[in-house]
Amino acid sequence: KAGVTQTPRYLIKTRGQQVTLSCSPISGHRSVSWYQQTPGQGLQFLFEYFSETQRNKGNFPGRFSGRQFSNSRSEMNVSTLELGDSALYLCASSQDRDDSPLHFGNGTRLTVT
Amino acid sequence: KNEVEQSPQNLTAQEGEFITINCSYSVGISALHWLQQHPGGGIVSLFMLSSGKKKHGRLIATINIQEKHSSLHITASHPRDSAVYICAVAYNNNDMRFGAGTRLTVKP
Repeated sequence: KAGVTQTPRYLIKTRGQQVTLSCSPISGHRSVSWYQQTPGQGLQFLFEYFSETQRNKGNFPGRFSGRQFSNSRSEMNVSTLELGDSALYLCASSQDRDDSPLHFGNGTRLTVT
Repeated sequence: KNEVEQSPQNLTAQEGEFITINCSYSVGISALHWLQQHPGGGIVSLFMLSSGKKKHGRLIATINIQEKHSSLHITASHPRDSAVYICAVAYNNNDMRFGAGTRLTVKP
């Protein structure tokens, strides 16, 4: 089974631009969650989608948004980029059972200049 | 105060040593995860616990729900165990809070 695939792996953007990151979950996984990792704040939960619905959202401004498609693939979008948005963005998929572990992608490293 | 406290922050061990990493959390949770992150960013889920103890190879994870505490043990440590180990607590639907991580270095 293919793992969780995130594209692109690396991205450089300029302040004020917007960016879209993509995550393809493991086949059969309907839950996709997104996380931001920075040296200062560590790992932080962004949001989680299940069956095209956002079920939970972390404490991030509205510039951070996401969506999930009928094939469970998910995208996250960050608008009006700020320098502080530079981070590793990770997504994880699971089978949405109580005993189902998370499977992480390798992440997208976003640099905002 | 962070919702999830890990200790120690950094740990250096000699190959073969027994290692313990601790995690404490402050509120009720649905599950606790132990994650391993190698240089380059990739994260692997080692354990997901809601009670008791789990073992996988040389790794053992325990959780005490009443005391809101979990430990990750590595027996017979090896240089390839060198990584950052992260404790994460889950509330609902993978809404998670993460510890700051423990950077483990195992020297040959």
